[in-house]
Amino acid sequence: QLRLQESGPGLVKPSETLSLTCTVSGGSISSSVYYWGWIRHPPGKGLEWIGNMYYSGNNFYNPSLKSPVTISKDTSKNQFSLKLSSVTAADTAVYYCARGYRGMGFEFWGQGALVTVSS
Amino acid sequence: SSELTQDPAVSVALGQTVRITCQGDTLRSYYASWYQQKPGQAPVLVMYGQDNRPSGIPDRFSGSSSGNTASLTITGARAEDEADYYCNSRDSSYDHLEVFGTGTKVTVL
Repeated sequence: QLRLQESGPGLVKPSETLSLTCTVSGGSISSSVYYWGWIRHPPGKGLEWIGNMYYSGNNFYNPSLKSPVTISKDTSKNQFSLKLSSVTAADTAVYYCARGYRGMGFEFWGQGALVTVSS
Repeated sequence: SSELTQDPAVSVALGQTVRITCQGDTLRSYYASWYQQKPGQAPVLVMYGQDNRPSGIPDRFSGSSSGNTASLTITGARAEDEADYYCNSRDSSYDHLEVFGTGTKVTVL
């Protein structure tokens, strides 16, 4: 069974960089069939798509995000990562990593990681 | 970018039927996926495509789509169906982008 697990600091200062890693077990992030995404859930608000990473190496990000986003991968560790630069309090959220399949959506999700942006 | 609009909240009596809708122009081009999220838990995919349920999702959940509206119907609602529900689809302006709906809180009375 596929498992995804987010990890990273739970507290980030304003203007600094938020960094999270998603460790995948039970499947390879190098599969050309799936894509890998990050989604967040700010407190009291709805889900917000952050971006997706594809096997081809192409990544796509939500153009509405105010903080610059980068998704990268480490295939040797079967991990992919999220970096959000110059964060503000508005970036406080539970961050999820997930596996997607074209035409299906995100079938497998991590348990989520709460990141608070505060000085 | 595209937007998907949902009613903020709906309620349903135990055992009755409730339909949750999701509206957006992108749904004229793409199907929606639907997620159930309970407090403190990760979202769970409950419906995708025209009317496809992932393994393990009860058949009381069904989906449909017409024009710019996608719907998720729960027939014979149970107490454990009380949750937030989100639709999700591709962005019609550029299909590698995605968008989530605003979410609907379903209360089972």
